[in-house]
Amino acid sequence: EAGVTQFPSHSVIEKGQTVTLRCDPISGHDNLYWYRRVMGKEIKFLLHFVKESKQDESGMPNNRFLAERTGGTYSTLKVQPAELEDSGVYFCASSPYDRAPGYEQYFGPGTRLTVT
Amino acid sequence: GNSVTQMEGPVTLSEEAFLTINCTYTATGYPSLFWYVQYPGEGLQLLLKATKADDKGSNKGFEATYRKETTSFHLEKGSVQVSDSAVYFCALTGSYNFNKFYFGSGTKLNVKP
Repeated sequence: EAGVTQFPSHSVIEKGQTVTLRCDPISGHDNLYWYRRVMGKEIKFLLHFVKESKQDESGMPNNRFLAERTGGTYSTLKVQPAELEDSGVYFCASSPYDRAPGYEQYFGPGTRLTVT
Repeated sequence: GNSVTQMEGPVTLSEEAFLTINCTYTATGYPSLFWYVQYPGEGLQLLLKATKADDKGSNKGFEATYRKETTSFHLEKGSVQVSDSAVYFCALTGSYNFNKFYFGSGTKLNVKP
């Protein structure tokens, strides 16, 4: 079974440009999450999809970030326009639908975004 | 609110040394606690977890015990190997929202032969 995949693995853009990150979750996983790690600090939650619906977007930093999940399958995270502080590693994770505590989220390798 | 604090790295050990990575948390109620590991070039992988007080999670020789009285979930291994070199993240999910992970800042472990 394929794991969570993310594309690209690394992106370097200039301030003011637009970047779109893509995540393909494990097939059949209804839950999809985005997280971000900035400057070697803690990994922070950005948002959570259940199928195509945004369940919790409390971690989205501002309206320059737009996440979508077309048809409840893959997801994109667009940053427009990018700022220097957006640099970091963006992780995607997925999990099956489960309401019990302690269930695992399966993470992708991350996309390293560098804004110059 | 919920938060996790873990010891800063990097931690450098010789092969077969004893490992402890400290993790403490702040949370209301009864969170679930996790250790994730990120090997070079890979995504985060669940290493072990515990969902209630006094539970011990274990995997691949690593152990951690959920201590509610000290709000801690320290990671230990009796004898590390070079292949254990990675970044280790302590994390929790809240009592009512199981979907949102709160991570620590990560501890990089370097094991030398």
